[in-house]
Amino acid sequence: DTEVTQTPKHLVMGMTNKKSLKCEQHMGHRAMYWYKQKAKKPPELMFVYSYEKLSINESVPSRFSPECPNSSLLNLHLHALQPEDSALYLCASSQVGWELFFGEGSRLTVL
Amino acid sequence: AQSVSQHNHHVILSEAASLELGCNYSYGGTVNLFWYVQYPGQHLQLLLKYFSGDPLVKGIKGFEAEFIKSKFSFNLRKPSVQWSDTAEYFCAGRAPGANNLFFGTGTRLTVIP
Repeated sequence: DTEVTQTPKHLVMGMTNKKSLKCEQHMGHRAMYWYKQKAKKPPELMFVYSYEKLSINESVPSRFSPECPNSSLLNLHLHALQPEDSALYLCASSQVGWELFFGEGSRLTVL
Repeated sequence: AQSVSQHNHHVILSEAASLELGCNYSYGGTVNLFWYVQYPGQHLQLLLKYFSGDPLVKGIKGFEAEFIKSKFSFNLRKPSVQWSDTAEYFCAGRAPGANNLFFGTGTRLTVIP
């Protein structure tokens, strides 16, 4: 089991829908991350929040919008996605500068 | 650009065989290096990490890795694999204190009973 909790585990959405992925950790970590993982590929970094401020955006399209309401929560808002955005979205957390702890992921299918 | 690379895409071993998975990095200065494992249907788990000090790092489940600065390598080893080691293995790296952890392409390990 992981101490990083992601919901929902599975999400199916149409290209005109608006949905959100949620991530929660209670380890006191001050850095939180979103990664995207396609089948049989490595995780690709999308966003990093450090002390609740967005510190890294890896040129992610604006149809993905991250939000960090507090140090324990991280959201990823989804709007007008494309079928090629279908993937496993991984949340992770860490003490700043230390190893990452990953959640089990939210598997997204865009129809 | 800073990166890590893994040249073994798929490794097939019989149980009890020894394992070595390659990882090379291209960071110019000091570097933090990690090995993560992803068992089928499970989350990424940290096997071991190198920040500084002793270049031979021991991790969980009997794995170890050696940081060889002159070869820009951080290979993962296990003396005797088990069927339960079947998984995807990712090497990852970043500059010390940085938040952008980047992964290699991964090596799929299949252990045959």
